[in-house]
Amino acid sequence: KAGVTQTPRYLIKTRGQQVTLSCSPISGHRSVSWYQQTPGQGLQFLFEYFSETQRNKGNFPGRFSGRQFSNSRSEMNVSTLELGDSALYLCASSLNMGTGELFFGEGSRLTVL
Amino acid sequence: AQSVTQLDSQVPVFEEAPVELRCNYSSSVSVYLFWYVQYPNQGLQLLLKYLSGSTLVESINGFEAEFNKSQTSFHLRKPSVHISDTAEYFCASNNAGNMLTFGGGTRLMVKP
Repeated sequence: KAGVTQTPRYLIKTRGQQVTLSCSPISGHRSVSWYQQTPGQGLQFLFEYFSETQRNKGNFPGRFSGRQFSNSRSEMNVSTLELGDSALYLCASSLNMGTGELFFGEGSRLTVL
Repeated sequence: AQSVTQLDSQVPVFEEAPVELRCNYSSSVSVYLFWYVQYPNQGLQLLLKYLSGSTLVESINGFEAEFNKSQTSFHLRKPSVHISDTAEYFCASNNAGNMLTFGGGTRLMVKP
């Protein structure tokens, strides 16, 4: 069974640009969550989608958004990039909501210059 | 709000020695607790979990953790570590959907 796939793995953007990151969950998993990992703030929850609906949202500004498609694939978008958005963005999938048993992808490393 | 505290940011240990990685949580409601491991340049992998039942939970590679409600702790232990256990370990709690609150992480450095 294929794991969680995130694309792109690495990308470099400049301040003010926007970026879209993609996540394909494990087949059959309906919940997709996104986390931001930085050396200073650690791992922080961004949002969770289940059946194409955002179910939970972390404490991030509106520049961070996401969506989930009918095939459970998910994308997140960050607009008007800031230097502080440089991070490893991790996607995780789960069979259902509420168990906390997440399967993580390898992440998309975003560098903002 | 929930919080998870990992008391040690780095733990150096010699190969075959025992190790304990400490984790304390705070929550006013029942929680699920987890340990995740992150190897260099990889995502996180679930190591073990406490959902309910027995307070001692074990992983397939020799780690164990004990849920202690009175001390609000969920420390991770291994009686004998290997070089391959070198990684960063994250304690996490969950009480809403799959929204996990992570601790700051403990870098386990196993030396030969």
